[in-house]
Formats: sequence, C-alpha cells, structure tokens
Amino acid sequence: NAGVMQNPRHLVRRRGQEARLRCSPMKGHSHVYWYRQLPEEGLKFMVYLQKENIIDESGMPKERFSAEFPKEGPSILRIQQVVRGDSAAYFCASSPGTSGRSVHEQYFGPGTRLTVT
Amino acid sequence: AQTVTQSQPEMSVQEAETVTLSCTYDTSESDYYLFWYKQPPSRQMILVIRQEAYKQQNATENRFSVNFQKAAKSFSLKISDSQLGDAAMYFCAYFIIQGAQKLVFGQGTRLTINP
Repeated sequence: NAGVMQNPRHLVRRRGQEARLRCSPMKGHSHVYWYRQLPEEGLKFMVYLQKENIIDESGMPKERFSAEFPKEGPSILRIQQVVRGDSAAYFCASSPGTSGRSVHEQYFGPGTRLTVT
Repeated sequence: AQTVTQSQPEMSVQEAETVTLSCTYDTSESDYYLFWYKQPPSRQMILVIRQEAYKQQNATENRFSVNFQKAAKSFSLKISDSQLGDAAMYFCAYFIIQGAQKLVFGQGTRLTINP
C-alpha cells in the first residue's frame, strides 16, 4: 500500500509565477490536510479537504492561495503570483475519514520544498 | 488560543543514554490526542508515538515512552538507549477529537546523538 505521495519534491519558481503542488492520499483515504513549514519552525495547518469539499481553510492566506480535492485525481494546492515569503516546505497528510477514533490518524507525505527566487 | 510549547530548541545525548524532551500544551478541550513526530534530515514526518487523553496509562513504543500529565498539560517524550538514527527534529502535536480537524504543532526540538 503506497503511502502519501507528493510531487514535485522540489519546485523553483520566480516571483510572480504560479506554483502547483500535488498530493495523492493513501489508498482508501478520503481526507486531505495541507501544512506549511517555514525554516526552523513547526508545521502550521493550512486547509482540510474531503472529496470535492473544503472543510476548513482557516489557516490558508485569503489571497493567492487555493486548494482543491476533486472527485478524481490528486489534491492540488495552488499558489498564484508567488513571493519570496512563500518559500517553505509544504506537507500533505491524509486520513481514513471513517467514523470512530481512527479519523485522527494522519499520514504524511514527503513534502514539496518550494523555493521562490 | 490553542498552543503547543517545546521549551528546548536543542538537546544532545550520548549514544545509549536516555533523554527526555519536554512539551506543554494549552487547550480547554477534554478529548484529544497527543503525538510525537520525528523529522530526520530527509524531512519526512514520522509518527513516533501517540497518547489518547482519556487514557491514564502512558503510551510506550519500544524505546520510546511518554509521561502524560493531563492536569499539568504536559506530554514529555523519553528515548531510552539512544541510537545514532534517533538524531532528528522532534515535534509535539495535539488533535482535538470534536473540533477543528487539524494537528497543532510545537516549534520542535533538535536532538543530537553523540557517539
């Protein structure tokens, strides 16, 4: 059973370009979370999605950032008109989303390191 | 505000010795989970151990164990018989069962193992 997959692993963008980060959850998982890690800091929650629904985007900047998790295909975190401050590692996690206490089990992908030049 | 505090930015320990990493948290909720994650240089987040808040018994996973003090909102990680492969950043985190479905992380502790 493959784990959570993220691509690309490294992404370099110039200021003003768009960045698209992809996340394929573990097989059978229907809940996806995105976190951002700035250098020398812990992970900060950005957004929580279920298939075709954004459940909680309280941690996501109001402008330039968007996320989706379509019925088919990976979850996408999109950053428009990137700035240097967007340089960070972006992690995706997935969970089963079933009822009961197992919903809390979040499994992380390897992350995408975004560098804005 | 819901926060997690790791007061030790860096720790070091001799190989084969025991080390304890501290973590305190602040939440008004009563039902939650606590976690320790390890992040080696590869940056992969690896779950080390978890503790359900409703359980009084401290969780143990091989050489890793926790000291969970619910009233004090303290959740420390003890690593016994430290190995070189334990060198990493360690993050404490919690998850509220009935509420925002997100992990709240501390700032991390960098653990160095001295051979």
